[in-house]
Amino acid sequence: AQKITQTQPGMFVQEKEAVTLDCTYDTSDPSYGLFWYKQPSSGEMIFLIYQGSYDQQNATEGRYSLNFQKARKSANLVISASQLGDSAMYFCASSGGGADGLTFGKGTHLIIQP
Amino acid sequence: KAGVTQTPRYLIKTRGQQVTLSCSPISGHRSVSWYQQTPGQGLQFLFEYFSETQRNKGNFPGRFSGRQFSNSRSEMNVSTLELGDSALYLCASSPRNQEADTQYFGPGTRLTVL
Repeated sequence: AQKITQTQPGMFVQEKEAVTLDCTYDTSDPSYGLFWYKQPSSGEMIFLIYQGSYDQQNATEGRYSLNFQKARKSANLVISASQLGDSAMYFCASSGGGADGLTFGKGTHLIIQP
Repeated sequence: KAGVTQTPRYLIKTRGQQVTLSCSPISGHRSVSWYQQTPGQGLQFLFEYFSETQRNKGNFPGRFSGRQFSNSRSEMNVSTLELGDSALYLCASSPRNQEADTQYFGPGTRLTVL
């Protein structure tokens, strides 16, 4: 079974600073996908970024980038120039590896301060 | 393109009752997955439907069931509700062309069992 670990339950960051949210995963399958989702207080899960296990380059989507270190089994999310609207729960998730559905971490509660 | 829609958004039921939640996927998406989110257990996979067939199922009792219609719309049913079923139920759709397809989530249905 896959396992996702997010070690930061909460983070406070000053507006306009860069933020790194940690995520490590545990799978023995060579083929898998890694995702980051944002969940504001409204509850909807918003897809941010995807990284495939065979992708050679780190994924980027606007202000979001994924720092993929395969040997370390790490897939950290980097948010550049944070904004007040970035305050939310952030979940790292994985697919594949024989797992049914997406496997989620416990999440990181990010609060951006003015 | 319209996103994933879920109805109702909020629901209050009493123990022993049953409930049906509905999910309409993004147009063209054939896979619908359901997740339960609680403060204690986090996000857990319930089941996935693809082309009207249950493809995967998580570790939930038989009181949780679902189905998918020919237009890809899906419903999930919970019978004999228990207090522990209070949760945010999230539906996600994907094209399901390959295992690592991104899943796009709806706003969720918040179920409260009294």
